[in-house]
Amino acid sequence: QVQLQESGPGLVKPSETLSLTCAVSGYSISSGHYWAWIRQSPGKGLEWIGSIYHSGDTWYNPSLKSRVIISVDTSKNQFSLKLTSVTAADTAVYYCARRGASTGFAFDFWGQGTKVTVSS
Amino acid sequence: EVVLTQSPATLSLSPGERATLSCRASQSVRNYLAWYQQKPGQAPRLLIYDASNRATGIPARFSGSGSGTDFTLTISSLEPEDFAVYYCLQRSDWPPITFGQGTRLQIK
Repeated sequence: QVQLQESGPGLVKPSETLSLTCAVSGYSISSGHYWAWIRQSPGKGLEWIGSIYHSGDTWYNPSLKSRVIISVDTSKNQFSLKLTSVTAADTAVYYCARRGASTGFAFDFWGQGTKVTVSS
Repeated sequence: EVVLTQSPATLSLSPGERATLSCRASQSVRNYLAWYQQKPGQAPRLLIYDASNRATGIPARFSGSGSGTDFTLTISSLEPEDFAVYYCLQRSDWPPITFGQGTRLQIK
């Protein structure tokens, strides 16, 4: 069974960088599939942040592209999110997820989510 | 960017009744539409992918239909555990992948 687990600080100061990691178990990232970060806030609902392939190819939401970096570490079987210059609008629950080839590239496995608050 | 509009925003029904949820896209997404269920404090759960295919382990009472711009999620006979928020997602024209704003299915 594929499992994903987000980790990182729950509180980030405005203008600083939000950094999260998603550890994957039960499946090797090197085997394929796309991996994604998604966030959910009361004001904006569910928002796709970006995706990465095991090769390192990335795709970002144009609305966040200038502030987002997603990277993958196949040796640790994990991928990461960095979001720079955060503001209160970036306060949300952040999820990592897999886009499964066998499910039409929908997000088929999700982490439990981690709440990140941007506040001084 | 493809905008997905879900209706109604809130649907109040009783267990045993049939639920019909709608998702309309601002442009054709072919059949590249998925449906999710989310309960409080939980991540979304994939129900339907590619408009009409049930994901593994999803009960047969859940069905999806539609193509192009108009899609429907139907729950044939509501069980108590079905009361939740439902979202649609499109992956036809990306980036960005986009979600609808959700339909809250509540007990009447």
